[in-house]
Amino acid sequence: ETGVTQSPTHLIKTRGQQVTLRCSSQSGHNTVSWYQQALGQGPQFIFQYYREEENGRGNFPPRFSGLQFPNYSSELNVNALELDDSALYLCASSLNGGVTDTQYFGPGTRLTVL
Amino acid sequence: TQLLEQSPQFLSIQEGENLTVYCNSSSVFSSLQWYRQEPGEGPVLLVTVVTGGEVKKLKRLTFQFGDARKDSSLHITAAQTGDTGLYLCAGARGNTPLVFGKGTRLSVIA
Repeated sequence: ETGVTQSPTHLIKTRGQQVTLRCSSQSGHNTVSWYQQALGQGPQFIFQYYREEENGRGNFPPRFSGLQFPNYSSELNVNALELDDSALYLCASSLNGGVTDTQYFGPGTRLTVL
Repeated sequence: TQLLEQSPQFLSIQEGENLTVYCNSSSVFSSLQWYRQEPGEGPVLLVTVVTGGEVKKLKRLTFQFGDARKDSSLHITAAQTGDTGLYLCAGARGNTPLVFGKGTRLSVIA
């Protein structure tokens, strides 16, 4: 059984650029949630995808968008990057999207915006 | 305003000591989860508590959910260097997404 994987591991961008982060969910899981973890903070919920549809969104602007593919892998896209977007971006997969379902986190992508 | 307040923010102790970390809120949660996160890794779920007053044990770790389901504590007995990490609590309310605290960063020194 393969765990949750994310790519790339690290990324450096400049303000105004766009970035795409990728996540492969754990085998058998149809739900992916994305979180932003700034330095010294806990993870903050960005949005969740369940069976290719957005299934809840946190307090993030529209320049944060996502996709889920038929194989349940997912992308997080961020447009017009700002310095405050520098953070660890975590994805978590779960079996069926329920709030109490156990989420399995990937190792994260460390994004630095200069 | 942070919905879940964790304390202390940092804790450095000697191996073999006991410790307790806290997760407090003014809101009621339907369930509360504790995670441990190590550098370069994502959080790993340790336990979920759902009933007010519930106590769960995981080897040397004891988790308690407050009677009013607004707070929780994690007690570690005889800490080991392998317990070092960031301990995060996360609360669920109805169908809303998990809300995480800022975490307690624990360092256990040999």
